[in-house]
Amino acid sequence: DAGVTQSPTHLIKTRGQQVTLRCSPKSGHDTVSWYQQALGQGPQFIFQYYEEEERQRGNFPDRFSGHQFPNYSSELNVNALLLGDSALYLCASSLLRGADIQYFGAGTRLSVL
Amino acid sequence: KQEVTQIPAALSVPEGENLVLNCSFTDSAIYNLQWFRQDPGKGLTSLLLIQSSQREQTSGRLNASLDKSSGRSTLYIAASQPGDSATYLCAVVSGGSYIPTFGRGTSLIVHP
Repeated sequence: DAGVTQSPTHLIKTRGQQVTLRCSPKSGHDTVSWYQQALGQGPQFIFQYYEEEERQRGNFPDRFSGHQFPNYSSELNVNALLLGDSALYLCASSLLRGADIQYFGAGTRLSVL
Repeated sequence: KQEVTQIPAALSVPEGENLVLNCSFTDSAIYNLQWFRQDPGKGLTSLLLIQSSQREQTSGRLNASLDKSSGRSTLYIAASQPGDSATYLCAVVSGGSYIPTFGRGTSLIVHP
């Protein structure tokens, strides 16, 4: 049984560009959450998707948007990239809209130059 | 706004020691609290989940306790091993919003 998978593993972009990150949840999980982790910090909650809708959102600007597909996989889109968007982006899947144990992927390392 | 603090920020110990890692939170209206392990540059691995109605959870050499009234959780690691070296993070899910808030973690090094 595959766990949470994320792609790509690394990405280099320049300021102003747009990026799309992808996540496939653990088999049987219906809830996907996205996090941003800067170096030396704990993960910061971006948003959570359940039943193809954004259910909860953290303190992130509208440049950060997402989507969940009928097979529960999800995308994170970031527009107009800033240098400060450089971070490890983590995806987590769970049941019960996050009330149960969260399982994390290995993350996508985004570098904005 | 929920704030989560982890003390100490870093810890270096010889193999075999028993350890206590601390996590404190400001708003006691929580839904659950989860402890994770993170190896350098990797994702998070769930260690223990404590629901707000529970006082503790145990898994192997790990024991986590929760005291909501004082806003504290502790992770106890028995007989530490070099393979336990990692960053340990706690995450508090707030009741109502169900938004998780993470601490900055405790970086643990266990020397052989």
